[in-house]
Amino acid sequence: GAVVSQHPSRVICKSGTSVKIECRSLDFQATTMFWYRQFPKKSLMLMATSNEGSKATYEQGVEKDKFLINHASLTLSTLTVTSAHPEDSSFYICSARWGLSGQETQYFGPGTRLLVL
Amino acid sequence: AQSVTQPDIHITVSEGASLELRCNYSYGATPYLFWYVQSPGQGLQLLLKYFSGDTLVQGIKGFEAEFKRSQSSFNLRKPSVHWSDAAEYFCAVIKAAGNKLTFGGGTRVLVKP
Repeated sequence: GAVVSQHPSRVICKSGTSVKIECRSLDFQATTMFWYRQFPKKSLMLMATSNEGSKATYEQGVEKDKFLINHASLTLSTLTVTSAHPEDSSFYICSARWGLSGQETQYFGPGTRLLVL
Repeated sequence: AQSVTQPDIHITVSEGASLELRCNYSYGATPYLFWYVQSPGQGLQLLLKYFSGDTLVQGIKGFEAEFKRSQSSFNLRKPSVHWSDAAEYFCAVIKAAGNKLTFGGGTRVLVKP
């Protein structure tokens, strides 16, 4: 149980285009999902917290107009990288939180490798 | 500042040998504690977690971790390492219910034949 999927697994796009990444909780409902970015050989950097039915909460330094997050349902959150540039190339990982209060656990998707040319 | 520390950036271990990965946190109260593993190019897989109760926690793939309040530690162990255990391991904590996950810097484990 507690499976999180991401689509696509990898994407190559041209500079200036937008890319949408989907994150789905397959066997549970998640009111809260998270988007991370990971640079090579580094730990995960939290970009934003996505709450179903409300606006995402962005971490300091993350441009909300560049990284659009939509949490349209209890099983789907999307991250759209708008007007992508080569410096946006990275590994993006989502996670979904599940569990009773005091027993909450984050389950992670397999990640999306974005390459902007 | 409140943080999670994994002192070892790299560890090399022989196949069949034991493995211990260190994790320390600096929160005042006991947080919720997790260990995740990441294979190259993959997402994170939950190995085990601690919320309360028995301080020795059993996880998947033969891993266990022990919470030691006096040392603010949550070290991960495996008695006999397999080549497939080569990966990056992350310790993570949640300060309190509803809070965000904070990651340590990770420890890369290399397994030699």
